[in-house]
Amino acid sequence: AQSVAQPEDQVNVAEGNPLTVKCTYSVSGNPYLFWYVQYPNRGLQFLLKYITGDNLVKGSYGFEAEFNKSQTSFHLKKPSALVSDSALYFCAVRGSSGGYQKVTFGIGTKLQVIP
Amino acid sequence: NAGVMQNPRHLVRRRGQEARLRCSPMKGHSHVYWYRQLPEEGLKFMVYLQKENIIDESGMPKERFSAEFPKEGPSILRIQQVVRGDSAAYFCASSPMGDPNTEAFFGQGTRLTVV
Repeated sequence: AQSVAQPEDQVNVAEGNPLTVKCTYSVSGNPYLFWYVQYPNRGLQFLLKYITGDNLVKGSYGFEAEFNKSQTSFHLKKPSALVSDSALYFCAVRGSSGGYQKVTFGIGTKLQVIP
Repeated sequence: NAGVMQNPRHLVRRRGQEARLRCSPMKGHSHVYWYRQLPEEGLKFMVYLQKENIIDESGMPKERFSAEFPKEGPSILRIQQVVRGDSAAYFCASSPMGDPNTEAFFGQGTRLTVV
């Protein structure tokens, strides 16, 4: 069974500092990996995805994520955090082996950017 | 192109009543997913539907919950005889196909409160 772990319930970072939100996964076959962001009382917004190719994926709002196959990780990063980045971030994975597989989401990490 | 539309945004039901949550996917999307978000528990997959077919309902509770996606009209998530534990945010997502390359787009959610 596939799974996603987001080991940190909350990440605090000062405005202007780099941020990292961690994600590790377990899946059969090659992974398809996604990051979503959720602002209060809103739905999830797609940020970026890794399907194949370059391990460093660039997405919306200056975010990027690095796929590391050996560590089965897909950490979300941004060089300089903004207060407006404060939100709930979800990592998700989908397997590629054998037919249909649903997307599995992590529990979410709350990012707090401190002015 | 309107996004994924969910209604109502907020729904209050008394214990024992029925709740009907509607989801209109993005134009051209034929795949719908329902997720439940409980406080402190992240996003839980419930069911995956194509037009007139349930593909995966492994996340649906065995009793009281049902979902459909008819040929015409929105997808409906139906909860019969609601209990306090059903209080949660229910999110619908849609995609144009079941291709793992394709990310899903989320609606704003329906917040169900059972009193």
